[in-house]
Amino acid sequence: AQSVTQLGSHVSVSEGALVLLRCNYSSSVPPYLFWYVQYPNQGLQLLLKYTSAATLVKGINGFEAEFKKSETSFHLTKPSAHMSDAAEYFCAVTRREAAGNKLTFGGGTRVLVKP
Amino acid sequence: DSGVTQTPKHLITATGQRVTLRCSPRSGDLSVYWYQQSLDQGLQFLIQYYNGEERAKGNILERFSAQQFPDLHSELNLSSLELGDSALYFCASSPPDWDRSNYGYTFGSGTRLTVV
Repeated sequence: AQSVTQLGSHVSVSEGALVLLRCNYSSSVPPYLFWYVQYPNQGLQLLLKYTSAATLVKGINGFEAEFKKSETSFHLTKPSAHMSDAAEYFCAVTRREAAGNKLTFGGGTRVLVKP
Repeated sequence: DSGVTQTPKHLITATGQRVTLRCSPRSGDLSVYWYQQSLDQGLQFLIQYYNGEERAKGNILERFSAQQFPDLHSELNLSSLELGDSALYFCASSPPDWDRSNYGYTFGSGTRLTVV
C-alpha cells in the first residue's frame, strides 16, 4: 500500500519569504508523485508532478519540488511567497498498475500568507 | 475550465434520500475517479472506472454505487443518506498514458453535498 504524510496541517509565511511544504511518501515500488493546490471553494489544480524523469521538477506559479529517494521525500518550495499563494496544498502518490492508478493524498497543508 | 464537468455544483437533501452526482471526463480520457473530501477524513478515493469497467475500489460505502456509461460519463449514486455523508465529491479523469501526458489527472470543481 502507498501512503503520503504531510508535515504540518497549517503553515504561516510572510509575503516574500520562502515557502516550504513537506511531503514524505511510502511506496514499495517507484512512485509517481504530485502536488495539487486547492483554492477556497474550488477544485484541485495540478502544480507539478514527478514521473521518474528529472528529480527536480518545476511547476506553475514558481513552485518546484525535488524527489529524494533516499529520504522518501518530495518537498514543495517557492522562493518568495505571494498573497495569492494562500490556499491548501496536497501531496499525492500513485504508481502504474493494472489494478488501477488511483491517487492517494496526504492530509493537506493550509498556507497562510501574512503581508 | 479544467475540461472535467461535474453537476450539480451544490446539492442539499434530507437524510434517507438518494442523490446522483454526474461527471463528464476530459475529452480523450478513459478513466474516471471519484473522491470524497470531508473535514475529518480528508481526500478519500472512492472508486475508479476505466472505459466502462470498474478498475479499483477504495473506501466506498455499500450505500454508494457508481457506473461509467458508453459515452464515458460517470454517475455516483448515494442512497440512504446520513448527515456524515455531507462532503465535497470530486471527479477526476485521466488518459491511458497519464504518466506521459502533460496533465495526468484532471479534477472537476466538485459537487458540494449537504445532508440535513
